[in-house]
Amino acid sequence: GAGVSQSPSNKVTEKGKDVELRCDPISGHTALYWYRQSLGQGLEFLIYFQGNSAPDKSGLPSDRFSAERTGGSVSTLTIQRTQQEDSAVYLCASSLRRSQGPRRDTQYFGPGTRLTVL
Amino acid sequence: GQQVMQIPQYQHVQEGEDFTTYCNSSTTLSNIQWYKQRPGGHPVFLIQLVKSGEVKKQKRLTFQFGEAKKNSSLHITATQTTDVGTYFCAGGAGRRALTFGSGTRLQVQP
Repeated sequence: GAGVSQSPSNKVTEKGKDVELRCDPISGHTALYWYRQSLGQGLEFLIYFQGNSAPDKSGLPSDRFSAERTGGSVSTLTIQRTQQEDSAVYLCASSLRRSQGPRRDTQYFGPGTRLTVL
Repeated sequence: GQQVMQIPQYQHVQEGEDFTTYCNSSTTLSNIQWYKQRPGGHPVFLIQLVKSGEVKKQKRLTFQFGEAKKNSSLHITATQTTDVGTYFCAGGAGRRALTFGSGTRLQVQP
């Protein structure tokens, strides 16, 4: 079946402009995560959504970053007034549910959006 | 906050040699997951460990979860060029989102 999709695959923008990155999770997955990965680095958690609960925004690096998830499905990550240090690959992942107990569901990652801020 | 560290950052081996990456958490974990990211690709789930001292095998890959549930390892026997990529561990604790390690990049020389 269809996996997690992200758009655009590549985005080049000028410093100071706003950008929107989109994530379409796997149908039926209630948990959605955003990560950032700089070149050759690990995954930096940004935010996650679980059903109708308030999102966990603890990983957002500044108030220039925000995310929405409409109708419990598609999510948009917005970066305002982009800076050069925002350049990275932004990965979205979804899982069937975020378990309450110790067993967590597999996260399925999208192909990412490569953001370059000039 | 919770920190998950991985070593080594990078390893270059000859095809046929073994490889091990280690993951250590600053706090006790409820579970640990391992992911593989091929060059230019996105992370793909490999396995999840939940029980203290658990050992799981997938063909040439052996995964261990420490008795104290604060560390884990991934061992690859007789590496092949298809094993090239970055291996990430990710620790779960309570209601927090998974914390990913920094990854170990494996290069296999044919």
